Amino acid sequence: EDQVTQSPEALRLQEGESSSLNCSYTVSGLRGLFWYRQDPGKGPEFLFTLYSAGEEKEKERLKATLTKKESFLHITAPKPEDSATYLCAVQAVTGGGNKLTFGTGTQLKVEL
Amino acid sequence: DADVTQTPRNRITKTGKRIMLECSQTKGHDRMYWYRQDPGLGLRLIYYSFDVKDINKGEISDGYSVSRQAQAKFSLSLESAIPNQTALYFCATGSGQSYEQYFGPGTRLTVT
Repeated sequence: EDQVTQSPEALRLQEGESSSLNCSYTVSGLRGLFWYRQDPGKGPEFLFTLYSAGEEKEKERLKATLTKKESFLHITAPKPEDSATYLCAVQAVTGGGNKLTFGTGTQLKVEL
Repeated sequence: DADVTQTPRNRITKTGKRIMLECSQTKGHDRMYWYRQDPGLGLRLIYYSFDVKDINKGEISDGYSVSRQAQAKFSLSLESAIPNQTALYFCATGSGQSYEQYFGPGTRLTVT
């Protein structure tokens, strides 16, 4: 069974204080690992797809990396507007429907 | 305009009532999905559809049914709502050319 574990559950940072969020996964053949951002009362917003170990993707202050067992979302010099819940999901090569298996997320709060 | 829309955005209903949640998309994607989100459990797949004639159960389909009325429309029904179906419901779309999914804004459903 595919599993995704995210840590920490919650993270409080000062503006400009860089940090990383962790996503550990087990999957029977990884097709892709996905990062989403979710604001309160809204649907998940797609950020990145990573397909193979060693791959990296960047968008503004966010950088996602992938190994064979985990992914990190690095946040450099965060701003208050980066406050949100960040979700990680995996998709297996086999199994039905391109199903995404989600972690429970890391709730990030960036304070002035 | 939003690419994926869901109606209603909020709904309160009583136990035993039938309720339908609707999803429309303008992304031109062939694949559509219904997920529910519960605190501490993450997003879980209810049903998915690869085209108008294709409907498949996800991991938590009991108590739910779906209808794919057109490529752009996918509705979720609760035939007889029960309190443990209180949750956030999200519709998502995806294409066959890439693996990421794009989510709607969600429906907050409360069953009393």
